[in-house]
Order: sequence, then structure tokens, then C-alpha cells
Amino acid sequence: GESVGLHLPTLSVQEGDNSIINCAYSNSASDYFIWYKQESGKGPQFIIDIRSNMDKRQGQRVTVLLNKTVKHLSLQIAATQPGDSAVYFCAENKAGTYKYIFGTGTRLKVLA
Amino acid sequence: GEEVAQTPKHLVRGEGQKAKLYCAPIKGHSYVFWYQQVLKNEFKFLISFQNENVFDETGMPKERFSAKCLPNSPCSLEIQATKLEDSAVYFCASSPGPKGSNYGYTFGSGTRLTVV
Repeated sequence: GESVGLHLPTLSVQEGDNSIINCAYSNSASDYFIWYKQESGKGPQFIIDIRSNMDKRQGQRVTVLLNKTVKHLSLQIAATQPGDSAVYFCAENKAGTYKYIFGTGTRLKVLA
Repeated sequence: GEEVAQTPKHLVRGEGQKAKLYCAPIKGHSYVFWYQQVLKNEFKFLISFQNENVFDETGMPKERFSAKCLPNSPCSLEIQATKLEDSAVYFCASSPGPKGSNYGYTFGSGTRLTVV
């Protein structure tokens, strides 16, 4: 089961619908961003990344959008499936540094 | 191997006891990172290594936390005199470069430390 203190923002979507998860990042000097998926009892798993010289990148069923003006990152998941249920984190890396700052996670619940 | 192996999966310690966590990075990965995740949410960077050398230790609480990556041995994170607030999941990650590979870091499954 889940531990106490899980006051994560939660997004509930119907199976088959599209999901949009948002993230406000903290540092205007960050030049590389990753979205991670974390399933219960597991470590974060890479989904997609984007560099600051791009504003959109597409993968398989996933798209990341970057708006540097307002320091906003979003993850779009097309045709959401039950296996997409997890907590999603954005992570930013500031140019010249070698550690990632993780955002507050968002729990995605896929309803059958 | 192709996964980051962390042991043990669960560790329970009484307040004041020592805790030692281990991480075997993916073979060929030169960089190892330790993160602490509290309440399944916030990730806090602790320390990173390039091979056996400390690369960045700006996140380490210096008083009770120490870490090593020695040749031909798993990396370790040790907490002396654990406190209740140390209860968290500790994740290790490895990568071939300091910023990650084409796929960021590869994370292990974590060690859940419970201090009672």
C-alpha cells in the first residue's frame, strides 16, 4: 500500500483519453529537462527528454512541450492506458551542473 | 548487468543506530548518484561520484552521512546515528556521463529506510 503523506496532485482520466501533466520548473538557467515515471515500489523511469533549444519533442504516445518564457513543461500522453497509472516527475538540469532538481510529482490515475 | 542493483530493499533501524545502503551501478557507467525521496514525493540530491571520486557532495548532510565508491565494490551510503527524519527511500542512479545518457540516469529500485 501507499505510505501516509501522499498529498500529490492527482489527475484522473478515462482510459483512452489524452492526459496532460504540467510542471513549473524553477531555474531559468536550466537547459535540459526529463520526464520520469515512477510506479509503486520502483525507481523513476525515463520517459522523454527535451533540451532548451527546442519547444516540442515527440515520442511514442508521449509529447513534451517546453515554454521557457513562463518556465513551464508539460507531458502529454495520448490514448492513456491502465499501465500509465503512476506518479510523474519533471526534472531539470541547470547548465554547467550535474545534478537534477525534481519537481513535485503528479499522480495519474487511469479509470477503466 | 543492465540494471542498478540496490540492497537491501528494506532496512529498519532504531534511532541512533547505523544504516548502510549499497548500490551496484550498471557495468561501464562511470557516474553514480544518490537521491533521497521523502514521503514518496520530493527527491533530494545527496552526492555523486565519478568512478571512486566524489563529483558533487553539495547535498550531503556532512555530520552523519558518508558515501564511498571503491573499485570492484558496490558503492555505499552510510548514515551514522540515524534519526527519525532519515526515514525515506534512498535511490541510487548511474550513467555513462555526468548529465546522463540519452536516457537520463538509470535508477535502481531504492532502499526503504525506516527509523523507529
